[in-house]
Amino acid sequence: DAGITQSPRHKVTETGTPVTLRCHQTENHRYMYWYRQDPGHGLRLIHYSYGVKDTDKGEVSDGYSVSRSKTEDFLLTLESATSSQTSVYFCAIKALAGINEQFFGPGTRLTVL
Amino acid sequence: ELKVEQNPLFLSMQEGKNYTIYCNYSTTSDRLYWYRQDPGKSLESLFVLLSNGAVKQEGRLMASLDTKARLSTLHITAAVHDLSATYFCAVDVAGTASKLTFGTGTRLQVTL
Repeated sequence: DAGITQSPRHKVTETGTPVTLRCHQTENHRYMYWYRQDPGHGLRLIHYSYGVKDTDKGEVSDGYSVSRSKTEDFLLTLESATSSQTSVYFCAIKALAGINEQFFGPGTRLTVL
Repeated sequence: ELKVEQNPLFLSMQEGKNYTIYCNYSTTSDRLYWYRQDPGKSLESLFVLLSNGAVKQEGRLMASLDTKARLSTLHITAAVHDLSATYFCAVDVAGTASKLTFGTGTRLQVTL
């Protein structure tokens, strides 16, 4: 347990509505990541952050935005949810400088109807 | 673009048997990570391999890295039911701002 929580853990929403997922960490880690997991695709990086207000895109960033106004919180926003964004979303942190071993939160299962 | 391929994608094996999961990647890298995921759960870090020839062992699992062949293996010795899970490898390429690229996973089912 790397002190990572995600909220909500489950959410059902409708197409076209905005959705924000929260990742919270308690250990002051600099790097934070958002992934989505879908059958047959493993984990794919959506966005990541390397410090407060410092973020960058990952492999599948279209339709997502992020914000990090405090070290401990990394928010993922779906501006207008679509059914293709139904997935399990994982937040992760990198704990050690020089080693990219990442530790994952419990995940959020999002269903877009 | 870095590609990470695992095989097999699904493995059903009997308790007591040995088997190997393979992870191939397409770009030079000397850092590779293995994770385990139980159904409905998060990912758990298993092994961190940081150089060519690195070998790590934990219980019935042993991971190795051959950077020249761009290949990592996860060997399972005398499988037990508790090892049933999905295993992912992930590759870290220098200069990519600490990003990992994951394989699609190998679902291991150990039958009694």
